[in-house]
Amino acid sequence: GEDVEQSLFLSVREGDSSVINCTYTDSSSTYLYWYKQEPGAGLQLLTYIFSNMDMKQDQRLTVLLNKKDKHLSLRIADTQTGDSAIYFCAESPGYSTLTFGKGTMLLVSP
Amino acid sequence: EADIYQTPRYLVIGTGKKITLECSQTMGHDKMYWYQQDPGMELHLIHYSYGVNSTEKGDLSSESTVSRIRTEHFPLTLESARPSHTSQYLCASSERGGGEKLFFGSGTQLSVL
Repeated sequence: GEDVEQSLFLSVREGDSSVINCTYTDSSSTYLYWYKQEPGAGLQLLTYIFSNMDMKQDQRLTVLLNKKDKHLSLRIADTQTGDSAIYFCAESPGYSTLTFGKGTMLLVSP
Repeated sequence: EADIYQTPRYLVIGTGKKITLECSQTMGHDKMYWYQQDPGMELHLIHYSYGVNSTEKGDLSSESTVSRIRTEHFPLTLESARPSHTSQYLCASSERGGGEKLFFGSGTQLSVL
């Protein structure tokens, strides 16, 4: 079955880069997603990448996809305290609903 | 403004009570979902719908039921609440053919005493 793995916790200093990693198992996934959840809120779609792409950049966010290793990463440049949140990786096999990872809690200290 | 709304935001209720969690979206999305989020952050899909009169059970066995009589409305009902139902419930919607770009509501935090 599908499985998405993420590390549970990451702590960085303000101004540093953050890299959140994710591995997935379903090679038929069409899209891969990053969602952000701030305290007391629902999830918000942050960015996504189509499976035939290697990289996608959107302002401070860079998504890297290694299809061979089934590895996805999210890099946040110049991390701010407002970036503190839980980040979920998710895969979409196309024939089923999203499979989410368990979430990575990012803590940014001043 | 197009959005997805959940009510109530917080609910504290006694064991055995019947409750309905409301979810409405104004985006005209065909697909709607209910997720249960445990304190450890993990999300579990409990119900989903691909359109009016269509409902499916998700990956996590749940004692709740849902209905989809109107496109914009996807309520979740617990006939008899138990302490094990204490959790955060998140509703989401997405377009048909839009991949799985989900829009989430702010959630209902349910506590059953």
